[in-house]
Amino acid sequence: DTAVSQTPKYLVTQMGNDKSIKCEQNLGHDTMYWYKQDSKKFLKIMFSYNNKELIINETVPNRFSPKSPDKAHLNLHINSLELGDSAVYFCASSDFKRRGYNSPLHFGNGTRLTVT
Amino acid sequence: QKEVEQDPGPLSVPEGAIVSLNCTYSNSAFQYFMWYRQYSRKGPELLMYTYSSGNKEDGRFTAQVDKSSKYISLFIRDSQPSDSATYLCAMAEISSGSARQLTFGSGTQLTVLP
Repeated sequence: DTAVSQTPKYLVTQMGNDKSIKCEQNLGHDTMYWYKQDSKKFLKIMFSYNNKELIINETVPNRFSPKSPDKAHLNLHINSLELGDSAVYFCASSDFKRRGYNSPLHFGNGTRLTVT
Repeated sequence: QKEVEQDPGPLSVPEGAIVSLNCTYSNSAFQYFMWYRQYSRKGPELLMYTYSSGNKEDGRFTAQVDKSSKYISLFIRDSQPSDSATYLCAMAEISSGSARQLTFGSGTQLTVLP
């Protein structure tokens, strides 16, 4: 009955590879997000989707491409991985469109990406 | 200068102590303030949120906002080892019926020693 689940939990890969991270939420929320947390715990938004529509796209290399097949899923594909992409990537969801900030972010447990 | 500054710690206190965690910010348009708790190897979870200046209390936790000083605090009374985690402040602007996304502090790592 996990609210926001993301897979894989750990991802170790070599530079230049392409990889995907999957995220699913079963809360019925209307908005989903990808955040990146660096080694200093700084959490920064990358993308936000509302009902399959991209509404926030922060300054992120275009090697990163989100894809939302439906309201409950938001996947993250990364092309040509670089050493600097190593971080923890968090998926999150909220009912932002209906409730604004009264609907808090619900985070998954993160995907720890290590690029060697 | 980052929009939100937070002392990263680490902060170690004995069980039962009162803990004070703080953030300062530079963007006077921030109106919505939150505290998230993040346990090791887990995602952040919301502890408290407030729109206004002043204090908001929830059990052992009190959130304090001083907009004039651009300063927010989280106080934990009677701290427990289970409070050991990283605490992240987060803030947002709310304007014209829409809202920008949250800006997070870098987190303070807290350890409560039994």
